Amino acid sequence: QQQVKQSPQSLIVQKGGISIINCAYENTAFDYFPWYQQFPGKGPALLIAIRPDVSEKKEGRFTISFNKSAKQFSLHIMDSQPGDSATYFCAPSSSNFGNEKLTFGTGTRLTIIP
Amino acid sequence: EPEVTQTPSHQVTQMGQEVILRCVPISNHLYFYWYRQILGQKVEFLVSFYNNEISEKSEIFDDQFSVERPDGSNFTLKIRSTKLEDSAMYFCASRRSPVTDTQYFGPGTRLTVL
Repeated sequence: QQQVKQSPQSLIVQKGGISIINCAYENTAFDYFPWYQQFPGKGPALLIAIRPDVSEKKEGRFTISFNKSAKQFSLHIMDSQPGDSATYFCAPSSSNFGNEKLTFGTGTRLTIIP
Repeated sequence: EPEVTQTPSHQVTQMGQEVILRCVPISNHLYFYWYRQILGQKVEFLVSFYNNEISEKSEIFDDQFSVERPDGSNFTLKIRSTKLEDSAMYFCASRRSPVTDTQYFGPGTRLTVL
């Protein structure tokens, strides 16, 4: 019940286009839904996150859409830029006495081409 | 901006040897984590640590693994007798408090077991 499926595995988007990455989960105890961004040679860094009391959250060019009934959430990157080229991970977690271990998806390698 | 640091960046060891991976979490953080990422695979949770004790560990974190916070700043992961399959990138992460969600990751230590 801990499985987290992420799609697509890789994505190539033209500069200025919209990048969309999806995450499906099974564990209904998850109550925190972050997206992490990872550049080569670096650790994952939080990009944007949502709690299930809202269905959408926008921060600049990045938007999370959350569908509780479908147990899915997605990352939308508007006006994609070459600097967005990185690997993206969804990593939901559940509040568990404050522990909140992250359960990572398999990752999406995003490449933005000019 | 405060950051999590990890040393060494790359560790090469012979099978059966002990290794200690070191992390300095962000100074006012209370929750500490180790994750690992085998090349080309997803990031996996190993262990969480709070109030000087393990709060949760995964199936991967068997008796060969141990964690310690030997002083007020360092957080270490010890692998007692390394196996070939322990070769991976190991990430340390820290989180400030129960009411903050963000886990901040270090740059990782690449462990190569020969």
